Amino acid sequence: GNSVTQMEGPVTLSEEAFLTINCTYTATGYPSLFWYVQYPGEGLQLLLKATKADDKGSNKGFEATYRKETTSFHLEKGSVQVSDSAVYFCALSDPSPLVFGKGTRLSVIA
Amino acid sequence: DTGVSQDPRHKITKRGQNVTFRCDPISEHNRLYWYRQTLGQGPEFLTYFQNEAQLEKSRLLSDRFSAERPKGSFSTLEIQRTEQGDSAMYLCASSPNTVNYGYTFGSGTRLTVV
Repeated sequence: GNSVTQMEGPVTLSEEAFLTINCTYTATGYPSLFWYVQYPGEGLQLLLKATKADDKGSNKGFEATYRKETTSFHLEKGSVQVSDSAVYFCALSDPSPLVFGKGTRLSVIA
Repeated sequence: DTGVSQDPRHKITKRGQNVTFRCDPISEHNRLYWYRQTLGQGPEFLTYFQNEAQLEKSRLLSDRFSAERPKGSFSTLEIQRTEQGDSAMYLCASSPNTVNYGYTFGSGTRLTVV
């Protein structure tokens, strides 16, 4: 079946550090890939997406590239801020419904 | 449109009682999804509707769970004879008729079974 594996958290970084959260997937077809973010006390929000191989999704300084050869969709940001502290979920759709990873908690300290 | 609304935000119930949650999706979205999220885990799919038709149910959805979406608008999720293991956040999401668009989630209903 379809599944998503994310790196274990929590991840703690200093402000302005580089962020990578690893995500790999298993799918029977050609999935669309997503990153969702959950800020403290809030609901899940779509952060970015990519619908085919080699697509790059980007939003709010975050980027992820759909790598079919390595079945990966790693989330990166060049310089994190305290306001980026949240739980990040990688997800896939092949074609539906969305299958989520367990989430990675990011804490950014000033 | 104010997004996806869920009611109530919190529900505390005694074991064995029935509970019902409501979800109002974004009006132009014809797909509606229910997920369950427990602490430290990602959302787990329960069921989804396209308009009023329930198209898929997870094997997680025991016989005690039932969902409806009359007239293809709002949806209800009922849990009968609640158990302590049902304690979780129940999330509703909606989307247009193409999943590549991504889902819009509500804030969830937190259920505590005591």
